[in-house]
Amino acid sequence: ETGVTQSPTHLIKTRGQQVTLRCSSQSGHNTVSWYQQALGQGPQFIFQYYREEENGRGNFPPRFSGLQFPNYSSELNVNALELDDSALYLCASSLAGLPSQETQYFGPGTRLLVL
Amino acid sequence: LAKTTQPISMDSYEGQEVNITCSHNNIATNDYITWYQQFPSQGPRFIIQGYKTKVTNEVASLFIPADRKSSTLSLPRVSLSDTAVYYCLVGDHKAAGNKLTFGGGTRVLVKP
Repeated sequence: ETGVTQSPTHLIKTRGQQVTLRCSSQSGHNTVSWYQQALGQGPQFIFQYYREEENGRGNFPPRFSGLQFPNYSSELNVNALELDDSALYLCASSLAGLPSQETQYFGPGTRLLVL
Repeated sequence: LAKTTQPISMDSYEGQEVNITCSHNNIATNDYITWYQQFPSQGPRFIIQGYKTKVTNEVASLFIPADRKSSTLSLPRVSLSDTAVYYCLVGDHKAAGNKLTFGGGTRVLVKP
């Protein structure tokens, strides 16, 4: 167990709809990253939040947005869903600022199916 | 971040040692090498990280030659529960803001 939880576990939406996925980070972790993992592929970095500010973004369009809250929870919002958005969405928390390389702790993911 | 190349899949048997080699010819001076394990429908799990020579923990060993252009993850005496996808990642995660770049991974199947 990593101490990172995500909700919901599964979700079905239709094309054009909007979705909000939630993540609760490990206590004390000030950094959360979101990844999209298509079937049979490795996770792809979407964006990262550090102390409630976006701290980097991967190659994803603006309809992917996020929020991080002071209580270590965060959200991933996706607008105007497309069929290709069907994937496992993973959040990972870490504690930035340690002298050693930070380890990221992943949640179990939310599997999103867009019909 | 340096690109990595690793085998797509490997088969093994219970009790054997599994060695997965990852190539990273363009590794930079500040880059670390990190391996993650992922079971189906779960998030990746950190296994081991190293910079040079050999690192060992309770789960695996990581061998890194002097030129650091490759690395080998060694899983001793695997069991059926070690069946998973293993990802090799290379990067200066601190400078990159801890953004992990995953490749396709190596799918390891442990047979009875």
